[in-house]
Amino acid sequence: EAGVTQFPSHSVIEKGQTVTLRCDPISGHDNLYWYRRVMGKEIKFLLHFVKESKQDESGMPNNRFLAERTGGTYSTLKVQPAELEDSGVYFCASSQQTGVYNSPLHFGNGTRLTVT
Amino acid sequence: KNQVEQSPQSLIILEGKNCTLQCNYTVSPFSNLRWYKQDTGRGPVSLTIMTFSENTKSNGRYTATLDADTKQSSLHITASQLSDSASYICVVSRHNNAGNMLTFGGGTRLMVKP
Repeated sequence: EAGVTQFPSHSVIEKGQTVTLRCDPISGHDNLYWYRRVMGKEIKFLLHFVKESKQDESGMPNNRFLAERTGGTYSTLKVQPAELEDSGVYFCASSQQTGVYNSPLHFGNGTRLTVT
Repeated sequence: KNQVEQSPQSLIILEGKNCTLQCNYTVSPFSNLRWYKQDTGRGPVSLTIMTFSENTKSNGRYTATLDADTKQSSLHITASQLSDSASYICVVSRHNNAGNMLTFGGGTRLMVKP
């Protein structure tokens, strides 16, 4: 089966511009998560979708970040306008079920965002 | 505050040698602890997962231990190979497989040299 895919793999934008990251989860996975790792820090949770619904967006840093998952398939994460501190690696992960010990998270390779 | 601390931050070993990576956590409540391997430019890949009742689990040359009383875990790599060069991340979950309940450590960057 195809894994979690993310696009683009790298993005370099100027402060104030807009960037949209895309994540295609593993087919059939209802749960989709976005995470972020900023330079020198640990990976941190951003938000969680179950199908098309936002289950938990407590990790979203501010209202410049907007995530969508229309139709419950792929998801996009838009940053508008981007700031320097938004630079980092954005990971997407998916899983088939929550609350199940043996339903692991599958991570994508991430999008490295650089804001200059 | 829920935290996961890993040591050392980085480690260089020679091919064929063993090494042990450490993870201390203060996450509560505790559901399970996972070790991930992250190759450069790739996403984390799960190596092991342990609940509080398990104190050791192996995956090939990787052996993880867990002491839920002292809130410590270790990852032991036996007979290291060049392909083991990666970051190893300890992740503690407050709920079974809920991705929003994960606390990540900062990782240990391992370099295996020939």
